[in-house]
Amino acid sequence: QSALTQPASVSGSPGQSITISCTGTSSDVGGYNLVSWYQQHPGKAPKLMIYEGSKRPSGLSNRFSGSKSGNTASLTISGLQAEDEADYYCCSYAGSRGTLFGGGTKLTVL
Amino acid sequence: EVQLLESGGGLVQPGGSLRLSCAASRFIFASYAMSWVRQAPGKGLEWVSTIRGSGDKTYYADSVRGRFTISRDNSKNTLHLQMSSLRAEDTSTYYCAKEVASNGWFEGSFDFWGQGTLVTVSS
Repeated sequence: QSALTQPASVSGSPGQSITISCTGTSSDVGGYNLVSWYQQHPGKAPKLMIYEGSKRPSGLSNRFSGSKSGNTASLTISGLQAEDEADYYCCSYAGSRGTLFGGGTKLTVL
Repeated sequence: EVQLLESGGGLVQPGGSLRLSCAASRFIFASYAMSWVRQAPGKGLEWVSTIRGSGDKTYYADSVRGRFTISRDNSKNTLHLQMSSLRAEDTSTYYCAKEVASNGWFEGSFDFWGQGTLVTVSS
């Protein structure tokens, strides 16, 4: 069982918006502003999408956004596109426990 | 752009040892903490270990503490992971990853990843 809890799957139609949640505790997600999100296509290395909860790496589409409320972080993808279909992982710094990943969410674009 | 190139993976028997390396280029290596993250076949990501930019402090997941040792050579822009007492559950693709923060500290966000090297532990 992963330390951070994500839904196993989400789906949406092209053009729609979806949100993936990531629930932790006050010792990780809720305790630090250090949540990141990664996109991973099959057979590829993960790609950073969001860091420090809501910051986007340079050049990344503003269709991707991050937020946090209490012990739950969220990744929202607006204007869904076929190429967004992938696995998404949340990650949080957790102090003495290092850094923790969620179990991953498979996004299907219908 | 930043490049990270892992090497050293392969097939090893349970109880054996293996040393992974990651050659880094196109950034100031010593300014960034570096990490190893692994992914078992068909499974999710698992953080393994991190070393600060200066190499003065290391961090390990409970699952590998006491068996794995992370190190770095800032003069050669190279990261290493010495793995011993390997178990079947260590079978994974091991990724080298660069920290986002340029202060050399461990903050658990990774902006560049290598392509990964596969480690298979089996008799």
